[in-house]
Amino acid sequence: KAGVTQTPRYLIKTRGQQVTLSCSPISGHRSVSWYQQTPGQGLQFLFEYFSETQRNKGNFPGRFSGRQFSNSRSEMNVSTLELGDSALYLCASSLGGQGADTQYFGPGTRLTVL
Amino acid sequence: LAKTTQPISMDSYEGQEVNITCSHNNIATNDYITWYQQFPSQGPRFIIQGYKTKVTNEVASLFIPADRKSSTLSLPRVSLSDTAVYYCLVAPIYSGGYNKLIFGAGTRLAVHP
Repeated sequence: KAGVTQTPRYLIKTRGQQVTLSCSPISGHRSVSWYQQTPGQGLQFLFEYFSETQRNKGNFPGRFSGRQFSNSRSEMNVSTLELGDSALYLCASSLGGQGADTQYFGPGTRLTVL
Repeated sequence: LAKTTQPISMDSYEGQEVNITCSHNNIATNDYITWYQQFPSQGPRFIIQGYKTKVTNEVASLFIPADRKSSTLSLPRVSLSDTAVYYCLVAPIYSGGYNKLIFGAGTRLAVHP
């Protein structure tokens, strides 16, 4: 079974621009979560989508948004980029049902904001 | 969500057994304990998960005492490729609650020849 895929793997943008990252979950998984990883703040939860609805949300400004499609693929968007948005953005998928639901992470998208 | 405390770093040598202990004093009744491994510039990789007593898989063992206020990840006979950051997490098992993982700083394990 193919793992979680993220595109693009690397991205360079300038301040003020916006960016869209894509995540394809493992086949059959209905939950997609997004995380931001920086050297200073570590791994931080952004939000989670399940059946096209945002189910959980972390403490990030409204510039960070996401959506999920009917095939469970997800995108996250960051508008008005700031230098501090430079990070590794990770997507994780899981079945999304009851119980201890193991999350499987993708390789990440490395975003650099200049 | 329960906060976890782990050692910042550990050193070991090839072939040794490594035990990483995580404290989670405020763990709730419906919380599970999960460990992830992460290599630089890669996504975390699931290692093992448990609720109580002992869990073992082909990669590691997880020991959880009766009070569940701590857990120990045991890696048998480590190799250089086990050099990574190891994260201990606790999260509730109810639907949806488990998918908001709160990562701490993790433990940087360095395995030496």
